[in-house]
Amino acid sequence: DIQMTQSPSSLSASVGDRVTITCRASQGIRNDLGWYQQKPGKAPKRLMYAASSLQSGVPSRFSGSGSGTEFTLTISSLQPEDFATYYCLQHNTYPLTFGGGTKVELK
Amino acid sequence: EVQLLESGGGLVQPGGSLRLSCAAPGFTFSRSAMTWVRQAPGKGLEWVSSISGSGGTTFYADSVKGRFTISRDNSKNTLFLQMDSLTAEDTAVYYCAKGDIKTYGFDPWGQGTLVTVS
Repeated sequence: DIQMTQSPSSLSASVGDRVTITCRASQGIRNDLGWYQQKPGKAPKRLMYAASSLQSGVPSRFSGSGSGTEFTLTISSLQPEDFATYYCLQHNTYPLTFGGGTKVELK
Repeated sequence: EVQLLESGGGLVQPGGSLRLSCAAPGFTFSRSAMTWVRQAPGKGLEWVSSISGSGGTTFYADSVKGRFTISRDNSKNTLFLQMDSLTAEDTAVYYCAKGDIKTYGFDPWGQGTLVTVS
């Protein structure tokens, strides 16, 4: 199985900050990686797929990059509605696997 | 707008069974692969199972293989997850989601249904 290691597990940031979250795959997955945002008590929502493709309706302050084993999600200017937990998902091989999550909290 | 609505969650004793449903109006259901993902209380997301649009191809996580069965009724636009031999480790919110590996993941997701094994 492909293991997804996400870092950091949590971070504190202020509105307007640039935030970067990293996901590392245990083996190469091309660009088959997505990012999901989850707010407390709510279902996850897809932000990115295929590493750098922005889901329709998602603000352009979100961006993704990477290929192979190293991937990043960047929020260029953190907004109040962005405080949430973020997960990466490899969609290259079954079993599909998620990273452990990154909780973005208000500093 | 695509909406997914899960039902069937509840409290069940260890060793018991439960059947989850996911109603999926608003899109061409039979052409869409579907997936179940779960989240234990306070924990991260875990992929459980996926099924092709026709229902002919299924995939399972090792943690549920042999105990859970994913299926669908395309005439009723409904996805199912039959869960047998439940243990406390199966306690989680179960989400259905549209998509699978070929659609680069899942979008959208249902609101989830809570399964408690105790």
